[in-house]
Amino acid sequence: RKEVEQDPGPFNVPEGATVAFNCTYSNSASQSFFWYRQDCRKEPKLLMSVYSSGNEDGRFTAQLNRASQYISLLIRDSKLSDSATYLCVVKTGNQFYFGTGTSLTVIP
Amino acid sequence: EAGVAQSPRYKIIEKRQSVAFWCNPISGHATLYWYQQILGQGPKLLIQFQNNGVVDDSQLPKDRFSAERLKGVDSTLKIQPAKLEDSAVYLCASRPSPLHFGNGTRLTVT
Repeated sequence: RKEVEQDPGPFNVPEGATVAFNCTYSNSASQSFFWYRQDCRKEPKLLMSVYSSGNEDGRFTAQLNRASQYISLLIRDSKLSDSATYLCVVKTGNQFYFGTGTSLTVIP
Repeated sequence: EAGVAQSPRYKIIEKRQSVAFWCNPISGHATLYWYQQILGQGPKLLIQFQNNGVVDDSQLPKDRFSAERLKGVDSTLKIQPAKLEDSAVYLCASRPSPLHFGNGTRLTVT
């Protein structure tokens, strides 16, 4: 069983739309959670950490449900510049496990 | 703050040849990771160092891959001999949390 599972998409949405990505993880002992963004042919970069109480950064909202071992990322008012692959990342012990990534294309 | 430095950016080799990648982490970052990212997949851990010691190399194909971090700062990853399926981007990352990635080395094996 994979440590982290994500729907690879692709998600194609119009500008201004709201889009949500989901991710599940298999190890209940995992202690930290992140969303990374990866642009085409670039390295992954931290988008935001995910906290148990949920957290927001501008148009981005991340949620964690420990009971269901589920993480989500909501993007409101999508911009063309949001087009990228979004990687769900789970830290278990000293290891970081990555999902396959969800591809988002925002269409004018 | 300078980021994680990797070189080369691109490398094309024939199968059965050898290749080496270099990484210099962010200054003061004791933990260093090498990841392999195949097109369309998320990064997969190859090896983790804490200073100059190996913490986890359980997913490193040791018959052909080797890595070292002799002085606990920069690190090299070597593949010998390369196979077609080694074509991927090799990413180096360091921390304390969260992970900071270098821009990777894109390897093509023909």
